[in-house]
Amino acid sequence: IAGITQAPTSQILAAGRRMTLRCTQDMRHNAMYWYRQDLGLGLRLIHYSNTAGTTGKGEVPDGYSVSRANTDDFPLTLASAVPSQTSVYFCASSEGGGAGANVLTFGAGSRLTVL
Amino acid sequence: GQNIDQPTEMTATEGAIVQINCTYQTSGFNGLFWYQQHAGEAPTFLSYNVLDGLEEKGRFSSFLSRSKGYSYLLLKELQMKDSASYLCAVRDSNYQLIWGAGTKLIIKP
Repeated sequence: IAGITQAPTSQILAAGRRMTLRCTQDMRHNAMYWYRQDLGLGLRLIHYSNTAGTTGKGEVPDGYSVSRANTDDFPLTLASAVPSQTSVYFCASSEGGGAGANVLTFGAGSRLTVL
Repeated sequence: GQNIDQPTEMTATEGAIVQINCTYQTSGFNGLFWYQQHAGEAPTFLSYNVLDGLEEKGRFSSFLSRSKGYSYLLLKELQMKDSASYLCAVRDSNYQLIWGAGTKLIIKP
């Protein structure tokens, strides 16, 4: 089934630990995004990539890093997790990025709890 | 600053019509999106408006007034499966999406 696969589905993590959330798409979309969703707030963009080999910072990038070695994969790494990073993380993709960006397709989300 | 405002929660009756409003103040405008998100699931695309007026798609319609910074999503013939959160998002002058916090719609029999 075409779409976005995220892993893990959920994770409990001790503060200070390193964590990588995986995201893979099979739609050959150029652009990919990482959002976090917190109760009472809109989706907030963490990092994005308009095409393989490039990345950019979103609204809330601190404490997170990404890489885009190929079209399909866009992992998000928390170098040293803190409790404020407890959230639901959504990976998304679109056919184009920037001015070409249009409809987003989202993964099922990764629920992360940092204790 | 940039801001998207939506009601936090609305309640409607099965079979009825409901209108979910969204007002926005953003730096530039390059389109407005509505997404549906069922509890515990991913958002899914519903509609896109870039010009003023009404876009109709089955039971769902979306309206835009750029001069007023206003949009609404109209859901007709409500079904229980329409119980979900509805997210309004505006694409700004940098083509970044600014998201509202979402409106939780509760459908009662």
